Order: sequence, then C-alpha cells, then structure tokens
Amino acid sequence: DAMVIQNPRYQVTQFGKPVTLSCSQTLNHNVMYWYQQKSSQAPKLLFHYYDKDFNNEADTPDNFQSRRPNTSFCFLDIRSPGLGDAAMYLCATSSTPLSTDTQYFGPGTRLTVL
Amino acid sequence: AQTVTQSQPEMSVQEAETVTLSCTYDTSESDYYLFWYKQPPSRQMILVIRQEAYKQQNATENRFSVNFQKAAKSFSLKISDSQLGDAAMYFCAYRSGAGNMLTFGGGTRLMVKP
Repeated sequence: DAMVIQNPRYQVTQFGKPVTLSCSQTLNHNVMYWYQQKSSQAPKLLFHYYDKDFNNEADTPDNFQSRRPNTSFCFLDIRSPGLGDAAMYLCATSSTPLSTDTQYFGPGTRLTVL
Repeated sequence: AQTVTQSQPEMSVQEAETVTLSCTYDTSESDYYLFWYKQPPSRQMILVIRQEAYKQQNATENRFSVNFQKAAKSFSLKISDSQLGDAAMYFCAYRSGAGNMLTFGGGTRLMVKP
C-alpha cells in the first residue's frame, strides 16, 4: 500500500511558468519534507513542515515555497521555474522531527523545464 | 557543517556474492545517526539500515550489515548473497542528534550481474 504518494510522477513546465507538485501521505505523520535531487546528485533538503510550522533551509531559493493545508497533504510551489530547477523532487514524512525517526520517501516527481 | 562522502560512484557484484559500499563522514558532533537508503530505478527511496552513533555494535538487517568505525568516521554497507533486486542507487546519510535534516552522500550505483 502506498504510504507517501506524489503526483504527478512526471511534470513538464515552461521556463517561468508556475508549477505545483503534490504530496500526500497515509501515515498520519507530523513532519513532511521536500527534497530536491538533481541528476546524479544526492537529495538536498529544501524545507519541512512540523505540523503547521514551516522550516525553510537557509539556502533554499525564494522561488520555492510550500503549503500544508492539512496533515495529509503538502505542496511544493515553484513560482518561476528556471532551467536549473529541473530535478527530481522527493517528498518524505516522519512521525516526529527526532533524529531517531525514520523518514519515509515518496517515489518523486521528475520536473522538466523547457 | 556535516559532510558525507561516498567515494564509489558505481559498483558491480555477481549475484550471490558479497559487496561492500563505502561511506565516510565528517562531523564534530558526538550524537548522531547514520543511515543507508536504497533508491531503485524509478522507485522510491527506502531505508535499508540505520546505526546510532552511541552504539558500538554494528547494525544488521538480514543480508545487510554495516561496519561502523566511529573514530575513523566510516560507515560501510555490506550486502551478502547479492540478489538482482539489490540493484539500485545507495545513499549514505547522516542526521544530527539535535536536528532533523538528513545530509546525503553522492550515492553509489550498484549493479548486480546474473
């Protein structure tokens, strides 16, 4: 059974055209994360939500924003995608932000920017 | 800042043989956790094994075991009796005891030959 679901799996957008990626979870976890993974590179954390509290990483560009309307859903908004934003975007969840808690990953959304 | 290094971009192993993937990390913290994640092609990342830094005993999960050398800051993954389904990208990751961010290594692509 899918636990962390990401839609769509593949997204194509045009340079500068806003795009939204979706993540949902059936685990009822309190924490949801968004990672960016560029080709052949390691995932890099963009931000995370602990319940409704938003935590942005210091080097995450302003172009990236997130919304979490409820426990189950979290969205990644890219306001004006550039060619450099083409990547796999991974959503993950954990029960708490504690280091001991495992993060569960979704299958990712591969974003192409034309 | 913590860094995680995987020096082997690609590895290959014959089916049923044993392979070891290397990982080193750099940290000044004493409380932290280490993880190996597996990312099969076009599938989601899943946790393979984890190690708490305060534990001297090496973690084991079925065919997967680690060699944790805290003084050397080394955390290698050994896969015994390799199976075709083990073919994937493997990421080593670090998480501070005080934080919730996963810092990933660059990954090692493991190929399993029948």
